[in-house]
Amino acid sequence: KAGVTQTPRYLIKTRGQQVTLSCSPISGHRSVSWYQQTPGQGLQFLFEYFSETQRNKGNFPGRFSGRQFSNSRSEMNVSTLELGDSALYLCASTLGPAPNTGELFFGEGSRLTVL
Amino acid sequence: QKEVEQNSGPLSVPEGAIASLNCTYSDRVSQSFFWYRQYSGKSPELIMSIYSNGDKEDGRFTAQLNKASQYVSLLIRDSQPSDSATYLCAAETGANNLFFGTGTRLTVIP
Repeated sequence: KAGVTQTPRYLIKTRGQQVTLSCSPISGHRSVSWYQQTPGQGLQFLFEYFSETQRNKGNFPGRFSGRQFSNSRSEMNVSTLELGDSALYLCASTLGPAPNTGELFFGEGSRLTVL
Repeated sequence: QKEVEQNSGPLSVPEGAIASLNCTYSDRVSQSFFWYRQYSGKSPELIMSIYSNGDKEDGRFTAQLNKASQYVSLLIRDSQPSDSATYLCAAETGANNLFFGTGTRLTVIP
């Protein structure tokens, strides 16, 4: 069974640009969550989608957005990039819904560097 | 107060010893609790979940949940060098929001 696939794995952008990251969940998983991981802040929740609907959203500015398609694949977009957006962006999938929504399977992540 | 708090460590234990990792949580998260392991340069992987008070054992790992004191712990028996990693505690709210602690870095010394 294929795991969670994230693309691209690495990318470099400059301030003001925008970026789109993609995530394909494990087959059969309908819930996809996105996290930002930085050395100082740890794993911070961005948003979670289930059946194409955003169910939860973390405390991030509106520059961060996402969506989920009918095949459960998900994308997240960050517009007007700032230096502080440099991080590892992790996608995780789970069967969903509750009660096992915390049993996440993570992808390898997309490492974004903003110059 | 953060939803989930962990001592960042580092925690060093000799090979064969018991490693004890602790996590406290706020009133906001009280439903389900999880321990993830993250090797350097890798993504987190789930190692234990615990939903009710008491102990849950899985091989060399034991998760302990005490809702009255709002803490959850992970014990690793017979620690091996391959257990050296960062351990992330996570807790879920009733609204299915999952919050992670910043992690405790464990080093097992051969």
